[in-house]
Amino acid sequence: EAQVTQNPRYLITVTGKKLTVTCSQNMNHEYMSWYRQDPGLGLRQIYYSMNVEVTDKGDVPEGYKVSRKEKRNFPLILESPSPNQTSLYFCASSLRLRDLRYEQYFGPGTRLTVT
Amino acid sequence: GQQLNQSPQSMFIQEGEDVSMNCTSSSIFNTWLWYKQDPGEGPVLLIALYKAGELTSNGRLTAQFGITRKDSFLNISASIPSDVGIYFCAGQGPLSSRLTFGEGTQLTVNP
Repeated sequence: EAQVTQNPRYLITVTGKKLTVTCSQNMNHEYMSWYRQDPGLGLRQIYYSMNVEVTDKGDVPEGYKVSRKEKRNFPLILESPSPNQTSLYFCASSLRLRDLRYEQYFGPGTRLTVT
Repeated sequence: GQQLNQSPQSMFIQEGEDVSMNCTSSSIFNTWLWYKQDPGEGPVLLIALYKAGELTSNGRLTAQFGITRKDSFLNISASIPSDVGIYFCAGQGPLSSRLTFGEGTQLTVNP
């Protein structure tokens, strides 16, 4: 089944303790992206990757890192989490269509709480 | 950056009624996407639009890409309880891979 998977689905952690949220897709998509969703702010892009070893900042990259060593995986790293990073996080992937068009497919989400 | 205004923010309707929601942008998009998000899950792609004026249906859902390329609407006909959720529009500008999302329309359907 074609899908985007994220782990963990729920995580409660403390300020400053490094964590990684994994994202994997089995659709051979070039494009992958991370979003955070907060009440009243909608979905905001954190980082994206156009292909292996190609990553770039989205709208809210501060406090996050990503890597794209393999096409299928795009982990999100919080080196020193803070309470303002408490949020619902989504990974998405997309095949690049002609004319630079993308249809992004989302994972199930990771609810992160930083105390 | 690009701004997307989605309205209404919420709707409360009776089962069987038709629903309409729309998004407007401050700049031109060359792709409009409509997603639905159920509680506790990720957004699911409903309809993708690629051409100005394009009208596309997916079952009871119909979406249109505005002629000006700055707006799109989504209609749901004969609503049913499982239509409940948050509907998001998203737009992609020319020469950009990034999506800008609207803030969502929360739909409640009363049986």
